[in-house]
Order: sequence, then structure tokens, then C-alpha cells
Amino acid sequence: GQQVMQIPQYQHVQEGEDFTTYCNSSTTLSNIQWYKQRPGGHPVFLIQLVKSGEVKKQKRLTFQFGEAKKNSSLHITATQTTDVGTYFCAGNTGNQFYFGTGTSLTVIP
Amino acid sequence: SAVISQKPSRDICQRGTSLTIQCQVDSQVTMMFWYRQQPGQSLTLIATANQGSEATYESGFVIDKFPISRPNLTFSTLTVSNMSPEDSSIYLCSAKPGQGAEQYFGPGTRLTVT
Repeated sequence: GQQVMQIPQYQHVQEGEDFTTYCNSSTTLSNIQWYKQRPGGHPVFLIQLVKSGEVKKQKRLTFQFGEAKKNSSLHITATQTTDVGTYFCAGNTGNQFYFGTGTSLTVIP
Repeated sequence: SAVISQKPSRDICQRGTSLTIQCQVDSQVTMMFWYRQQPGQSLTLIATANQGSEATYESGFVIDKFPISRPNLTFSTLTVSNMSPEDSSIYLCSAKPGQGAEQYFGPGTRLTVT
């Protein structure tokens, strides 16, 4: 079954509000990657985290990898309509690579 | 980075027929993959396309149903054989320049089986 879960599944926010999606794995991950998929598009790589407790920022996006390397989060500050899409985490567990269940973000202007 | 193209972009096929999807990468890559994505769902890995050897299939996917070729480091094909309506989905090709690296995805092939 699915080993990498994301919550929430859907999120509607007013433009300007913050947004966070959480990614949880049942096993330790060697790394975690985040992808964004716009409606009708294909997944686009955003970032990779490798170290325990690592935090990376890309403009309004902040990515965090948990100390136990089993969870991760993506936080968007002051959302914009261009942030609309589905955000997937993806991680390596041993020889397996799993995509998370995804969080679909809708931004209301 | 890598730029990936897929052909066809979409197709409507009759049940019982087969469709071959082509994936072309603009540079040599170590690893290529095939995924399936139902609308509104996550990506499910079908198989890893290995250059010069048989593809490695994930649980629930078999070579007879999804034969894969990878003749070189820039090209791969996925065939969906003996199609049924349950095979209707988006099929995505992806590539990784190296182990542990990010994946680059093609635009996908939207398949509808009637």
C-alpha cells in the first residue's frame, strides 16, 4: 500500500494566506523531493532535502525535513494565485521511490 | 536538467488493441521511468526502463501487459497491450540524470480506452 501520505488532501485558501502541506512516511527516507503539478500539467521538481532536520527556502516556499527523516513539510507564505496546483512529496526508502498522495491547493483571489 | 517529449500526447483506442508511447530525452540519462496517473490522483510507478536489459516492474505490473523498451540512453517506449477501459489514464515518462537526483517528467500521454 501507499507508504507516503500527505495531509491535507485538499486546501482552499484566500490569496495572501499561508499554506502548509505535511508529508509522512512509514519508513525512514534517504531523501525527500517536492514536486508541483499545475492543473493539466506534469510534475515539476522543486527541491530535494537530504539531511536530517534540513530546512531550505525558495522565496516564499520553506521546505523542512524531519529529524527522524520520516516526515517533511512545505510551507508557502502569502499565497498567490500562481501557487495553484498539487504538491507532491516523493522519497526514497531503500530501493523504492514513492510519491506521496498529494495536496491540491486552490487559491481564491 | 533534461527536456522530455512524449508521443502521442493523447489517444482514444478501442479495447483489445495496443498502443505504444514514445519518450525522448534531449540528453543521455542514467534512469528512465514510466508512471501512471489517474486524474486527481498521485503517480504510480509502473517500471524502471533499463538500458540494455529488461525493465524492472513494480508490484501489480507485468511485462506482458506493459512491455518496455530502452534501446539507448535517450529513448524509451511503453506499450499498453490488450487495452481495457481500466487502462484509461495519463502515462508519464520521467528521467533522472543520476542516482538520487531529481526527476524530470514528460508532458504525459492521455489515453482513453473505449
